[in-house]
Amino acid sequence: DAGVIQSPRHEVTEMGQEVTLRCKPISGHNSLFWYRQTMMRGLELLIYFNNNVPIDDSGMPEDRFSAKMPNASFSTLKIQPSEPRDSAVYFCASSPTSGRDNEQFFGPGTRLTVL
Amino acid sequence: SQQGEEDPQALSIQEGENATMNCSYKTSINNLQWYRQNSGRGLVHLILIRSNEREKHSGRLRVTLDTSKKSSSLLITASRAADTASYFCATSPIGAGNKLTFGGGTRVLVKP
Repeated sequence: DAGVIQSPRHEVTEMGQEVTLRCKPISGHNSLFWYRQTMMRGLELLIYFNNNVPIDDSGMPEDRFSAKMPNASFSTLKIQPSEPRDSAVYFCASSPTSGRDNEQFFGPGTRLTVL
Repeated sequence: SQQGEEDPQALSIQEGENATMNCSYKTSINNLQWYRQNSGRGLVHLILIRSNEREKHSGRLRVTLDTSKKSSSLLITASRAADTASYFCATSPIGAGNKLTFGGGTRVLVKP
């Protein structure tokens, strides 16, 4: 079975450039989560969607960050303009339902480096 | 801010020994979950324990939950080199929908 798919796996860009990260959740899953992981701050939830609707975006650090989920099988996280402090590993995860007792299935992550 | 805090931050043991790590949290929860992360990979779910449960087993894993102390422990018995990874606790706070809040993790090194 295909798990959560993220692309690209690695992204190196220069400060000021737009970065778009992509995620395909597991088919049939209704919840999708975007996380950022750094050594300093650990794993932080940025935003999550239930049934393609954004539920909580309180973790989005700034207006430079935006996320969309146009349909049940695709989501994007965009950073515009990017800054060196955005360098991190970004994970997408999906969950079968919006119920509380559900595990999350993580993708392999996108390692972003902003020079 | 992180809900869960793991202790210790790092642990080094010999193959065959048991590994124990702890997680403390701050608010009331629906459940607590443990995840493993191998270097350079995504997190993998290990076990979920609900707030009305006190202990749960899965293979070589044993998880306890003490809601009065707001703490949990993960025990890996008879560790193997393949258990080398970072382990994270994640809490589902009451009133927070279906989102999880992750702790900082415990890095476990199992030496062959």
